[in-house]
Amino acid sequence: QVQLVQAGGEVKKPGASVKVSCKASGYTFTSYVIHWVRQAPGQRPEWMGWIYAGNGNTQYSQRFQDRVTITRDISASTAYMELSSLKSEDTAIYYCARDDASAAGSYFDYWGQGTVVTVSS
Amino acid sequence: DIVMTQSPLSLPVTPGEPASISCRSSQSLLHSNGYNYLDWYLQRPGQSPQLLIYLGSNRAAGVPDRFSGSGSGTDFTLKISRVEAEDVGIYYCMQPLQTPFTFGPGTTVDIK
Repeated sequence: QVQLVQAGGEVKKPGASVKVSCKASGYTFTSYVIHWVRQAPGQRPEWMGWIYAGNGNTQYSQRFQDRVTITRDISASTAYMELSSLKSEDTAIYYCARDDASAAGSYFDYWGQGTVVTVSS
Repeated sequence: DIVMTQSPLSLPVTPGEPASISCRSSQSLLHSNGYNYLDWYLQRPGQSPQLLIYLGSNRAAGVPDRFSGSGSGTDFTLKISRVEAEDVGIYYCMQPLQTPFTFGPGTTVDIK
């Protein structure tokens, strides 16, 4: 069965960086796109960017363009999202989600359980 | 960015009764391929969002047929034919037509 498993929560100080992992299983990792979506407390989800696991192509939201880097390790079937220069407003749950790259449109059919990132001095 | 709005923002429902949520976008979501790029998600309390409807009207795998999506262009609707207790949560519409993908503010559905 398809699973996206994310690592546990992180506590970081302002100005630091965080790298969140998303380990995929149950499907061919390189045939799909992985998106990263975050959700601050009580807020709507916010899309951050995607990576096509097959060739490593990425696209980021302009809002995070200078601070976010999404990568993948094919041998580990794992995608990563690194966010730098953290601020308190980056406190949120960070989700990874799978998207079928070969289908029309984009839709997230499987989601990770989320990683809580807390930014506090 | 494409702005997504939803109404109502809160929807108390009676089990067994129908429910309807509206979603509007600031630009048409009709792609040149004829599909409407509009998805619906349900986020149950304490859980990750789950896909309900994609491309405006296609039910995702395993989604009960009491859920249906309709609409085109800028106006879309999610309907639940007969609400069940497990349907409580926050419903979000999302547009994946252009980046950044954007979500609506969410409609909180709870039992009266």
